[in-house]
Amino acid sequence: DTAVSQTPKYLVTQMGNDKSIKCEQNLGHDTMYWYKQDSKKFLKIMFSYNNKELIINETVPNRFSPKSPDKAHLNLHINSLELGDSAVYFCASSRRQERSPLHFGNGTRLTVT
Amino acid sequence: GQQLNQSPQSMFIQEGEDVSMNCTSSSIFNTWLWYKQDPGEGPVLLIALYKAGELTSNGRLTAQFGITRKDSFLNISASIPSDVGIYFCAGQKSYNTDKLIFGTGTRLQVFP
Repeated sequence: DTAVSQTPKYLVTQMGNDKSIKCEQNLGHDTMYWYKQDSKKFLKIMFSYNNKELIINETVPNRFSPKSPDKAHLNLHINSLELGDSAVYFCASSRRQERSPLHFGNGTRLTVT
Repeated sequence: GQQLNQSPQSMFIQEGEDVSMNCTSSSIFNTWLWYKQDPGEGPVLLIALYKAGELTSNGRLTAQFGITRKDSFLNISASIPSDVGIYFCAGQKSYNTDKLIFGTGTRLQVFP
């Protein structure tokens, strides 16, 4: 199936731990994103990479570090997890051209205890 | 960060009714998108609008790109139970320089 897939779907961890979320797309897109959805369902962009190059970096704590080994993968590493990091994190991809909407993965629900 | 104002925040309707929701911005966008999110899943694209005044349909869904480029509307006709979910508008100024900004969402509940 052609899709944006991210793992794990659920992640429960304790404060202070370091964790990673992986994302892969097989749509042939050149741009990938990480969005955060809070408990009120607000969707907010965190990062965007185009061909492995960081192009959008919102005001996200530097405990969050995205890594793009190639244009089909964008991983998110989070250091020293805090309670406020609990949210659903969505990966998305698109082509960096007109009329190329974002396609989203099914999300990773992160719970920090 | 910027968010688009979406209304209503939630709707509770009976099966068969028509639904209207809208999204407004203080600034101009050149792309408007409408997504639906089911529980436990990611947003799925419903309709994409790329031109001011454009009216586009996808089955029972119709969306319009406002003439001022500061708003968009989504209508659902003859609602059915599987229309339940959260509907998000999203706007973008430029595909190569600007991020896609999401609305605050409209939660739709359909009763049989």
